Amino acid sequence: GAGVSQSPSNKVTEKGKDVELRCDPISGHTALYWYRQSLGQGLEFLIYFQGNSAPDKSGLPSDRFSAERTGGSVSTLTIQRTQQEDSAVYLCASSSIYRDEQYFGPGTRLTVT
Amino acid sequence: AQSVAQPEDQVNVAEGNPLTVKCTYSVSGNPYLFWYVQYPNRGLQFLLKYITGDNLVKGSYGFEAEFNKSQTSFHLKKPSALVSDSALYFCAVRDNRGNTPLVFGKGTRLSVIA
Repeated sequence: GAGVSQSPSNKVTEKGKDVELRCDPISGHTALYWYRQSLGQGLEFLIYFQGNSAPDKSGLPSDRFSAERTGGSVSTLTIQRTQQEDSAVYLCASSSIYRDEQYFGPGTRLTVT
Repeated sequence: AQSVAQPEDQVNVAEGNPLTVKCTYSVSGNPYLFWYVQYPNRGLQFLLKYITGDNLVKGSYGFEAEFNKSQTSFHLKKPSALVSDSALYFCAVRDNRGNTPLVFGKGTRLSVIA
C-alpha cells in the first residue's frame, strides 16, 4: 500500500520568507509526527498529533514553527520568517494504534539562503 | 527523560564478516526500542523493534538485535555483512505510554567494504 508521502521533496527559500511543508500519512494511521534531521544534530522531535487530542508541541524550536492536521489526515508544517539555521531535512512519520513502529516519509530538504 | 547513545559515529567491516552497531538507552519504565536504517537521500526504514518477550529480536534484511536489560543496551547485529548494508543506522527509544515520539541516537554510519 501507499506509504507516507511528503511534498515538496526539495525547497529552497530566501531568509525571511515563509514555507509550508506537507505530509500525507498512511491511511488509517491516527498518530502523525514531525522530526527534523540536521547535520550534526541527529533527529529531533518537533510536534506530534494523536487522533483528536491537542498536539504535543514541546519539540518546536521557536514560535516561528507551527503545524496543523486537518481532518485527522494531512498535516502542514509552517515555518515563518525562515532563518538559515532552519535548513534541514524535515521528516514526517505516522503510526497505527495497532503497531508500535513509526513509518517515515522521504522527507523535505529545506535550504534557506 | 529518555535518551539514546550510539557511541560509534562510524563502523567499518569487511563483507562477509559479522557486524555490530552499538546502542545504549535510558528510559523510565519498560523501554520500547527500535532500529531504523537510512539510505542516501531516503527516509528512515524500520528494521526491528523490542517491546517485550525474547531478548533476541529478528528483523528485516537478516538483522537482529539483542536486548540486555542489565546493561541497558540494544545492539544491532548481522552474522554476515553485505556491501548493500552500507547506510546510516539509528537506534530509538520511547516509553510504554502508547504512541509517543521517538528519541533517536545520533546515528552510526556503517561501511561494508568488499
